Amino acid sequence: GAGVSQSPSNKVTEKGKDVELRCDPISGHTALYWYRQRLGQGLEFLIYFQGNSAPDKSGLPSDRFSAERTGESVSTLTIQRTQQEDSAVYLCASSLGTSDSSEQYFGPGTRLTVT
Amino acid sequence: AQSVTQLDSQVPVFEEAPVELRCNYSSSVSVYLFWYVQYPNQGLQLLLKYLSGSTLVKGINGFEAEFNKSQTSFHLRKPSVHISDTAEYFCAVNNQAGTALIFGKGTTLSVSS
Repeated sequence: GAGVSQSPSNKVTEKGKDVELRCDPISGHTALYWYRQRLGQGLEFLIYFQGNSAPDKSGLPSDRFSAERTGESVSTLTIQRTQQEDSAVYLCASSLGTSDSSEQYFGPGTRLTVT
Repeated sequence: AQSVTQLDSQVPVFEEAPVELRCNYSSSVSVYLFWYVQYPNQGLQLLLKYLSGSTLVKGINGFEAEFNKSQTSFHLRKPSVHISDTAEYFCAVNNQAGTALIFGKGTTLSVSS
């Protein structure tokens, strides 16, 4: 079946503009995660959605970052007033269950470049 | 708080040589440990995971890892590497809330002939 998909694959934007990144999880996966991967760094957790529960937003770096998810489907990550330090690859992942041992399946990422 | 340290940022090896990629973790809760691989221009793929039971875990592509609780380590090994194993490898542990994974900074494995 289809894996996790993300769009766009690449995004170049000017400093100060808003951007919206999209993630389509694997059908039937109740959990969805956003991570950020800066050059030469590991993945940083941003936000976690599980079903209809309140999301875990503890990883969002500032109030310029927000994310939404409709039910158990598509999620969008929005970055307002982008800064150069926001340049990174943004990865989305989804998993089946509520257990923290569930395997996370990753999308190919969106490479964001803020000029 | 949980953390993951990958001790080597780059590991160059020759084809058919053995390799060990080191990972140490810090956690105050029960751990689940993972190794992910990221091939050039591709997404992350799960290599193997430790949840419970046997401390020696076997994964895909001939990789294995051993969970050592006393040394808080989860090193990844392969007895004979191929050129196609060239990739970025990430070690990860579950966070305390169970809502996400905490990743190390990654180890670049470069296999040459």
